[in-house]
Amino acid sequence: SAVISQKPSRDICQRGTSLTIQCQVDSQVTMMFWYRQQPGQSLTLIATANQGSEATYESGFVIDKFPISRPNLTFSTLTVSNMSPEDSSIYLCSVVSRGNHGYTFGSGTRLTVV
Amino acid sequence: AQKITQTQPGMFVQEKEAVTLDCTYDTSDPSYGLFWYKQPSSGEMIFLIYQGSYDQQNATEGRYSLNFQKARKSANLVISASQLGDSAMYFCAMREGHGSSNTGKLIFGQGTTLQVKP
Repeated sequence: SAVISQKPSRDICQRGTSLTIQCQVDSQVTMMFWYRQQPGQSLTLIATANQGSEATYESGFVIDKFPISRPNLTFSTLTVSNMSPEDSSIYLCSVVSRGNHGYTFGSGTRLTVV
Repeated sequence: AQKITQTQPGMFVQEKEAVTLDCTYDTSDPSYGLFWYKQPSSGEMIFLIYQGSYDQQNATEGRYSLNFQKARKSANLVISASQLGDSAMYFCAMREGHGSSNTGKLIFGQGTTLQVKP
């Protein structure tokens, strides 16, 4: 199955600033997703990262707040913009690949906004 | 709309005993996939087991087995011989769509926190 390198693993950020999270995959993958997990909650899909075109956002998430780039089939970034304490969450990328019946997750980014 | 429900926010089990974590789902698609993941405090998502809707037998992976009751739309995870390292959050998930309508998205349940007592 694909191996994902997700960075940073954790960060503490000041409110009003932005953080960019990176996911690098060791093979080309078609489908890539970004999830948010608020403290004690389940995973919620933010968007599908599309290669060469704008990401497809789920209801409740907007591009201005969570801009996503996907310049090629192995790399994507998620930016959390103008952060507030409510953005404190774990952010995970996921890809559809062979193995694990199709899904591999990054190790997650634990974000705390103060 | 597809939905996954986990009704047990928290569970306790004695070390070396078996525990069942409940999961029910709702979908109108005849073809779907069900997953269980473990999430320790580190935050990573660890794949445990998979059950396809057309699989004739219940899935098993080492100490993990899936009690799949299609008519009842349930896919309970059974962990045998619990270990202290099993303490974590457990998520049931379903793949949305199939074939040409497969979006690749996973829909997650609310999760169950399992604590194994020594």
